[in-house]
Amino acid sequence: AQTVTQSQPEMSVQEAETVTLSCTYDTSESDYYLFWYKQPPSRQMILVIRQEAYKQQNATENRFSVNFQKAAKSFSLKISDSQLGDAAMYFCAYKGSGGGADGLTFGKGTHLIIQP
Amino acid sequence: KAGVTQTPRYLIKTRGQQVTLSCSPISGHRSVSWYQQTPGQGLQFLFEYFSETQRNKGNFPGRFSGRQFSNSRSEMNVSTLELGDSALYLCASSSHGGQKLFFGSGTQLSVL
Repeated sequence: AQTVTQSQPEMSVQEAETVTLSCTYDTSESDYYLFWYKQPPSRQMILVIRQEAYKQQNATENRFSVNFQKAAKSFSLKISDSQLGDAAMYFCAYKGSGGGADGLTFGKGTHLIIQP
Repeated sequence: KAGVTQTPRYLIKTRGQQVTLSCSPISGHRSVSWYQQTPGQGLQFLFEYFSETQRNKGNFPGRFSGRQFSNSRSEMNVSTLELGDSALYLCASSSHGGQKLFFGSGTQLSVL
């Protein structure tokens, strides 16, 4: 079974600075998808960024980018120019690409605090 | 386009009762999946429906069931509620074969 590990329960960063959230995963599959989701106090899970394992190029979405290291099974999220609205729980998630694949497998989450 | 809508937002039940949660996906999305979120276990996959058929199921007891209607709306049912069923239940929808899941705001279930 796949597992996703987020080793940082909580991170704190000054507004406008850069922060990196860590995620490692374990899988025997070669083709899969990785995601970062944000969950603010409203509880709605919001997709931040997605990476397809077969793509070597790291995904970027405005101030959010990932460092995808397939061999190391590492998928970190970098948030540049942190803003107060970035404060939330961040979840790393994995999904296999097979037809009978299960749903998303989530990590335990990282609570990101933005200091003004 | 309206997002994923879950009703009700909050629910309080007592042990032994049953409960039904509802989810309306984004228009045009045919896949609906359900997740349970608790402080202890985190986010766990319950099941996924596509075109009224259950495609995948997580490791939950048979008390947890669901269905999907022809308009893609989905319901989730939990029978014989236990205290441990207290959780935030999240519904997500995606387009056909899509890997991008769009989540609703969830239903917070409290079992007393």
